Amino acid sequence: AQRVTQPEKLLSVFKGAPVELKCNYSYSGSPELFWYVQYSRQRLQLLLRHISRESIKGFTADLNKGETSFHLKKPFAQEEDSAMYYCALLKSGAGKSTFGDGTTLTVKP
Amino acid sequence: NAGVTQTPKFQVLKTGQSMTLQCAQDMNHNSMYWYRQDPGMGLRLIYYSASEGTTDKGEVPNGYNVSRLNKREFSLRLESAAPSQTSVYFCASSKDEKEKLFFGSGTQLSVL
Repeated sequence: AQRVTQPEKLLSVFKGAPVELKCNYSYSGSPELFWYVQYSRQRLQLLLRHISRESIKGFTADLNKGETSFHLKKPFAQEEDSAMYYCALLKSGAGKSTFGDGTTLTVKP
Repeated sequence: NAGVTQTPKFQVLKTGQSMTLQCAQDMNHNSMYWYRQDPGMGLRLIYYSASEGTTDKGEVPNGYNVSRLNKREFSLRLESAAPSQTSVYFCASSKDEKEKLFFGSGTQLSVL
């Protein structure tokens, strides 16, 4: 069965510092990976998807099939980036997304 | 733009009581989902409906039932609530099984 691991439950950085939220997955097939974000008092929403290769709010994520990772990165964190971040894997053809346990990011002024 | 609407937002039940969580989407999506969110455990899929007329179990279906009433609506029923079902419940929808999820605002349920 597929599995998504986010090793850090809490991550704290200062404003302007680089930030990396780690995501590792286990899946034997060809995965589709997503990052979802939940800001305070807002609903969970898509941040980015690996196949689109977009940069959203300055965040990027590269799928590394060799290391089975999909880490989320931003070179200069902003206070408004403080939120809960979930990595999710969509099993090809199955329609069920598996989520990691989430990482709470706090960006300090 | 309503998107995915869940009701109620908050609910307190006593052990053994039953209730139904309602979810509706206005985006003409085919697929709908129910997740629960527990501290330190991320989101776990309870049930999902790939398309109107179909439902399938997710990771944690025990103690729940679902109904895909029509394309817009997907309800989650707790027949006999237990304290272990205290959680935040999220409904989500997607255009189809391969697309991104759109989430509702959640229902905070406490079972005493």
